[in-house]
Amino acid sequence: DAGITQSPRHKVTETGTPVTLRCHQTENHRYMYWYRQDPGHGLRLIHYSYGVKDTDKGEVSDGYSVSRSKTEDFLLTLESATSSQTSVYFCAISGRGAGRLTDTQYFGPGTRLTVL
Amino acid sequence: TQLLEQSPQFLSIQEGENLTVYCNSSSVFSSLQWYRQEPGEGPVLLVTVVTGGEVKKLKRLTFQFGDARKDSSLHITAAQPGDTGLYLCAGAGNYGQNFVFGPGTRLSVLP
Repeated sequence: DAGITQSPRHKVTETGTPVTLRCHQTENHRYMYWYRQDPGHGLRLIHYSYGVKDTDKGEVSDGYSVSRSKTEDFLLTLESATSSQTSVYFCAISGRGAGRLTDTQYFGPGTRLTVL
Repeated sequence: TQLLEQSPQFLSIQEGENLTVYCNSSSVFSSLQWYRQEPGEGPVLLVTVVTGGEVKKLKRLTFQFGDARKDSSLHITAAQPGDTGLYLCAGAGNYGQNFVFGPGTRLSVLP
């Protein structure tokens, strides 16, 4: 298994508060992704990173920002959480070394976020 | 925008039965992946298919990629309770785009 951890695993917060989720990998994977999973929608890409300080938007990026200051860490920030951002958030990694963007993705265990 | 549809959305069967789930799109994909996800966990890759018409077998699971690389199927023979989970397909575009995921088929195999 690729070593991927997410923290926290569960979080309950209130509308309007900032929230940061962390994804940490112990492998040398180039690409890192943040997805959200909601019933009936499958996994939808929020943002992804193709290297340190290199990030790009995904399908549902509004209301989210990301940062990647080190190869092993990818942070997802909700600047002002809303109830519509209640979801399960998954981090994924791919592309060991200089791999391609569409190489096999390995997923973390997920973070369940509830915004009240 | 590339979209993937999966059918059926839900499937409940008895242990020992066979089943097929489908993943369809109007778009062409350079490769397609199938994942299984169990409650409280992230998806785990089962297989990647890259060639039109390709068939891959993983024990009791048979995966097929359509000739036109727009669709795929997953067939399970003699389903077992351990096969229970959410089955997701994901397609990769021809130009290095990110994966697009289908909404999933939730399978329940009853003992």
